[in-house]
This record gives sequence, C-alpha cells and structure tokens, in this order.
Amino acid sequence: EIVLTQSPGTLSLSPGGRATLSCRASQSISDSYLAWYQQKPGQAPRLLIYGASIRATGIPDRFSGSGSETDFTLTISRLEPEDFAVYYCQRYGSSPLFGGGTKVEIK
Amino acid sequence: QVQLVQSGAEVKKTGSSVRVSCKASGGSFSNFALSWVRQAPGDGLEWMGGIIPILGTPKYAQKFQGRVTITADKSTSTAYMELSSLRSEDTAVYYCARDPVTILGTSIYYNGMDVWGQGTTVIVSS
Repeated sequence: EIVLTQSPGTLSLSPGGRATLSCRASQSISDSYLAWYQQKPGQAPRLLIYGASIRATGIPDRFSGSGSETDFTLTISRLEPEDFAVYYCQRYGSSPLFGGGTKVEIK
Repeated sequence: QVQLVQSGAEVKKTGSSVRVSCKASGGSFSNFALSWVRQAPGDGLEWMGGIIPILGTPKYAQKFQGRVTITADKSTSTAYMELSSLRSEDTAVYYCARDPVTILGTSIYYNGMDVWGQGTTVIVSS
C-alpha cells in the first residue's frame, strides 16, 4: 500500500521567506495525480495544486508545485501572513490518500 | 458556484450510528466524484470513501469497509455518509468534497477536490 511522507513536520519561517515542502511517495504516482491543499485552523482544506504542478483557480502564483513519480515539492516563493497554515499532499483519484501534513509557522 | 452544505453537528453514543448529509447547492452532481474525508482532533486528513453519483457504485477505504455506507440521491443532489458501530476514536470533523471527473468510456479522470463542505462535527461518547 502506498504511503505519502511529508517533510519537514514543521517549518518555521518569516514573512517574505521561501517555503519548500516535500512529499515523498513509497510508489510511483501515475499520471501525476498529486495535489496540495492548504488548511487553516477551523476551516476546510483548500485545493492549491493538482496534477503536481497546475494551480487551482484563484491560487496566487507564489504557490508552485513540481515533481513526478515519487518526489514532489510545493514551493511558496514569498510567504504572506495568510500562508501560515498546514499543507497536505494527496494522491487523488479513485482511492485518495493524504500525507501527514507540514505546518508552516511564523518564526 | 457550487457549494456543498453539510448537516449539523451530532453527539452519539458508543455503538450507535450517525448519518451525515452533503447537499450541492448552486449545481448538481453531474460529472463529480464525491468523497468523505474525516479529521480527528489535532490529526491529519483521512479519506473514508467516495461515490460518483452518475455511476452509483461507492468505493470505501479498507479501514472503514463494513462500517461505512455512502449513497447519493441525484434527484436532490445530496450525498450521505453513514458510519456504524461508533467508538470514541470516530470523534472527528467529517467533510464532504467534490472532485470533478471526466468519464471517457471506461476511463475516469480526476482533478483533485476543489470544493469542500463546511464540515460536520461528530462527537462519540459513552
């Protein structure tokens, strides 16, 4: 069974900084069915990226996704105050699976 | 703009069942998969199962097989998730989420969960 491992568990950065989040799959994810979500406390998750690198509607271009097969990255180029949140990667499709999440906190 | 509106919070006894609804307002279920995802307090996201309403057959995560039932009523654009034999570990926020799909013959192409319900808190206690 496939496992998604996100690292680091917590990322402490300052506003304006660059965040690099990793998602590693134990098996290759076909068709790049890899998505990234942002979740803030008390809110539902929000889709940021799908197809590993395609920004969802309305997502600012400071968010970018890259990678293929087993190694994927979410990059936030310049952290805005509203970007401090928990980020999840997901293998979507007929049997979705989430990674454990990375918390991006204010340093 | 489609919104998913879920039913209200529930408090249940251990061993009982809970049914949560998810209604698509401002649209229909055409060409969507509808998933149920839960989040226990302080934990991450966990997919429980889903259904493509126009096809009708649900699919469940192995962990929940035998305890969860997901159905969809196309006439009212409402999906339901019923979880039985509740235990304290089922205390969580339950979300529904839609994933636009493209069906070409026997192939189904997904696009990620782009609209989420507001969440339904289920508390299980003895």
